[in-house]
Amino acid sequence: DTGVSQDPRHKITKRGQNVTFRCDPISEHNRLYWYRQTLGQGPEFLTYFQNEAQLEKSRLLSDRFSAERPKGSFSTLEIQRTEQGDSAMYLCASSLTGLIEAFFGQGTRLTVV
Amino acid sequence: AQSVTQPDIHITVSEGASLELRCNYSYGATPYLFWYVQSPGQGLQLLLKYFSGDTLVQGIKGFEAEFKRSQSSFNLRKPSVHWSDAAEYFCAVGRDDKIIFGKGTRLHILP
Repeated sequence: DTGVSQDPRHKITKRGQNVTFRCDPISEHNRLYWYRQTLGQGPEFLTYFQNEAQLEKSRLLSDRFSAERPKGSFSTLEIQRTEQGDSAMYLCASSLTGLIEAFFGQGTRLTVV
Repeated sequence: AQSVTQPDIHITVSEGASLELRCNYSYGATPYLFWYVQSPGQGLQLLLKYFSGDTLVQGIKGFEAEFKRSQSSFNLRKPSVHWSDAAEYFCAVGRDDKIIFGKGTRLHILP
C-alpha cells in the first residue's frame, strides 16, 4: 500500500460550480479524516468517519459541504456552489481506531476564481 | 480556546546550527502529542509522537521532542539542521478522536 492518496491534486473552478474530491485511505484503516488548510494556517478539522459512519462534523462544514464514505473505504468531499473563500488545500488522513497515528495524503488544492 | 500554540511564526537558523521549535498546549489531561512537517505544496509527514512514558521522544530525520507536563510544552529540537529541513512544522494534540493543529512555524535555513 502506498499510503493515502487524493485526487485530483489541483482543481481550479469558477465560483458557483460544484466540485468533488476523492480520498483513498490506507486499506486497513477504518478512520478517515478531512481537514482544510488555508495559506499560513494549520490544518483545521472538518469531519471524520469510522468505517462508513460520519461521527463528527465541524461547524466549519457549512451546508454546502457534504462528505461520504459509502462502503467504509474511499471517501468523497463535495462542495456545492463554490465561493472564493473555499480556496484552500483539502487534506485527507486515515488511521486505525484510537488515533494512534494519522497518515496524511498530499492534499487537493482548490482555487475558486 | 486554542488547544495548541506555536509562538514563533518564522524561525531562521544557519545550516549546521541547533534548532528548537516551541509548542504549548492547553488540555486537562495529558493528550497525545505530535509534530508534523510539511514541505511546500505537500501533505503532512509525522516526525514523532508522544503518548506516555519517556518524556524525551526520538523521531525521524534526527529530530527529538521533550514533553514537560509542568510547562504544558512539547518542544521540537534538532542538534544540527540541514538545508533540506526548511519547511513548515506543526505541533498537534490528539483529543476527542481528532488531531488539533497549531498554526505552524516556518523554518528558514541560511547557507
